[in-house]
Amino acid sequence: DIVLTQTPLSLSVTAGQPASISCKSSQSLLHSDGKNYLYWYLQKPGQPPQLLIADVSNRFSGVSDRFSDSGSGTDFTLKISRVEAEDVGVYYCMQSIQLPHTFGQGTKLEIK
Amino acid sequence: QVHLVESGGGVVQPGRSLRLSCAASGLVFSTYDMHWVRQAPGKGLEWVAAIRFDGKNKFYADSVKGRFTVSRDNSMNTLHLQMNSLRAEDTAVYYCARPERGTYRYSPFDFWGQGTMVTVSS
Repeated sequence: DIVLTQTPLSLSVTAGQPASISCKSSQSLLHSDGKNYLYWYLQKPGQPPQLLIADVSNRFSGVSDRFSDSGSGTDFTLKISRVEAEDVGVYYCMQSIQLPHTFGQGTKLEIK
Repeated sequence: QVHLVESGGGVVQPGRSLRLSCAASGLVFSTYDMHWVRQAPGKGLEWVAAIRFDGKNKFYADSVKGRFTVSRDNSMNTLHLQMNSLRAEDTAVYYCARPERGTYRYSPFDFWGQGTMVTVSS
């Protein structure tokens, strides 16, 4: 199985400041079609996960442009340009290049 | 708007069975592969199972293989998860999820249900 390792596991950020989360994969997520099958989700308290970014640099509908990502192969990074109170929750990366689909452990973001 | 509603959760003793359902609306259900994902209390997300759009191919996590069976009724726009020989470690919120591109691989999950809680305890 592909193992996704997120760092840090928790993040405390002052509102208005940037934040960054890393997701490293045990195998390349770059397909021969040129796409990286790595996605980012945010799970707010008491809610199901919500899709933020698909296929690297492809924000899901309605997602703020404060969110961006980068990376290829085995190393990926989610960036929030200016953290807002509504960004609080747990962030997960997920891969779908291979079954079983796997998730990172999650990174909990809180506001200082 | 896509709407997924899970049901069937509850408290069950170890070794017993439970059947979860996911009612789908707002999509052409019969054209989408579908997934089950679970989350143990206070823990992360774990993919459980997937089923092709026509029900002919099914895929399972090793942790549930041989005990869980995913199925679907396209005439009723419903996804099911039959869970047998339940264990304490199966205690979790179970979500059904739709792959954005309809395929079980190479696609993020763009819509999730609210989840149904399964507690396995004596």
